Amino acid sequence: NAGVTQTPKFQVLKTGQSMTLQCAQDMNHEYMSWYRQDPGMGLRLIHYSVGAGITDQGEVPNGYNVSRSTTEDFPLRLLSAAPSQTSVYFCASSSTYSVNYGYTFGSGTRLTVV
Amino acid sequence: GIQVEQSPPDLILQEGANSTLRCNFSDSVNNLQWFHQNPWGQLINLFYIPSGTKQNGRLSATTVATERYSLLYISSSQTTDSGVYFCAVSLFYGGSQGNLIFGKGTKLSVKP
Repeated sequence: NAGVTQTPKFQVLKTGQSMTLQCAQDMNHEYMSWYRQDPGMGLRLIHYSVGAGITDQGEVPNGYNVSRSTTEDFPLRLLSAAPSQTSVYFCASSSTYSVNYGYTFGSGTRLTVV
Repeated sequence: GIQVEQSPPDLILQEGANSTLRCNFSDSVNNLQWFHQNPWGQLINLFYIPSGTKQNGRLSATTVATERYSLLYISSSQTTDSGVYFCAVSLFYGGSQGNLIFGKGTKLSVKP
């Protein structure tokens, strides 16, 4: 099993550019989410999805967009990049129906906006 | 919303020492997980432990849900234990997972 795969691992954007961070999981998990990690802030939830076609906002959704057309994929779109979006982004998935609701995280995308 | 506080924020150990990390949370939860983020940034799930005690090798965890805290024990620490340890909690209901809320972590450095 590949688990949760995130691409790219590193990205530099100019202010105002848009891009999509990719996230795919092969565990047939219903639940997927995006977090950002900033120094001293822990991980903060951006958006999440409880199944294909269903998405909702987390704690810090502004400037980001998501969609969930399949169970496997949950891309995160930056609409117009800003320096405040410089961060490390993690995608996670989990099975709602497993007795162990442990999350599996991707390896992260380090994004720098200049 | 639920608040999660972890202590200590930083911890330096000599290899072979034992340590206890603490996680306090402000409200009732039925999902609590401990994660280790290694120096390369990878987040690894250590325990799913909404209550009770679990052990995995040199690591063990105890959650006392009624008193709203969890403890992570690391025995005979090794340099590979270095990194940041996160506690995360949620309240799920009606089949809904609930979104994990993370503490700010405890940064552990194990010196050889």
